[in-house]
Amino acid sequence: SQKIEQNSEALNIQEGKTATLTCNYTNYSPAYLQWYRQDPGRGPVFLLLIRENEKEKRKERLKVTFDTTLKQSLFHITASQPADSATYLCALERWSGGGADGLTFGKGTHLIIQP
Amino acid sequence: SAVISQKPSRDICQRGTSLTIQCQVDSQVTMMFWYRQQPGQSLTLIATANQGSEATYESGFVIDKFPISRPNLTFSTLTVSNMSPEDSSIYLCSVERTDGPLADEQFFGPGTRLTVL
Repeated sequence: SQKIEQNSEALNIQEGKTATLTCNYTNYSPAYLQWYRQDPGRGPVFLLLIRENEKEKRKERLKVTFDTTLKQSLFHITASQPADSATYLCALERWSGGGADGLTFGKGTHLIIQP
Repeated sequence: SAVISQKPSRDICQRGTSLTIQCQVDSQVTMMFWYRQQPGQSLTLIATANQGSEATYESGFVIDKFPISRPNLTFSTLTVSNMSPEDSSIYLCSVERTDGPLADEQFFGPGTRLTVL
């Protein structure tokens, strides 16, 4: 079955530094990978989607890379701010016999940006 | 993006009772999903609910326990039946765009926080 591992449960970063989160997966070759932000008591919010034929994607201070050989995605937040503190989830598409079918999520990394 | 609302936002229920959670989307979508997020855990897919077909359940989830309705392209319900404390969780619905620039992106509702006593 698909397995997703995110590098750590918690990550403390000094404000202004770059936060780098890791997502590794096994037993699958997804067509795309997604990153979400989740704040306490709220549903996940979509951040970025990167497809298998894309090496890198950027959105403002966010950057995602996708290495299908290593089966790994890196998620970077540059010039981090305390407001970036949240849990970040990596997710892969699920495939059933009929096609793409929902997402499999990693357990998430709780990012804390310290002033 | 899609705007998704869920009702109720939270509830406290007694063991053995049932709760129906509603999910409303502001636009027509084909694919809707129901997830569960247990305390301190990540999201787990319960079932896929596409309009015009029976819901498809993931391993470990059965229709008798989690019946789903999908009467049209903007609405779905999930019922948690014969509840036990182990069902205490956040239940989330989501939709996936299948075309256009937002294709493959999933949008989530705010969740329903259920506590079973």
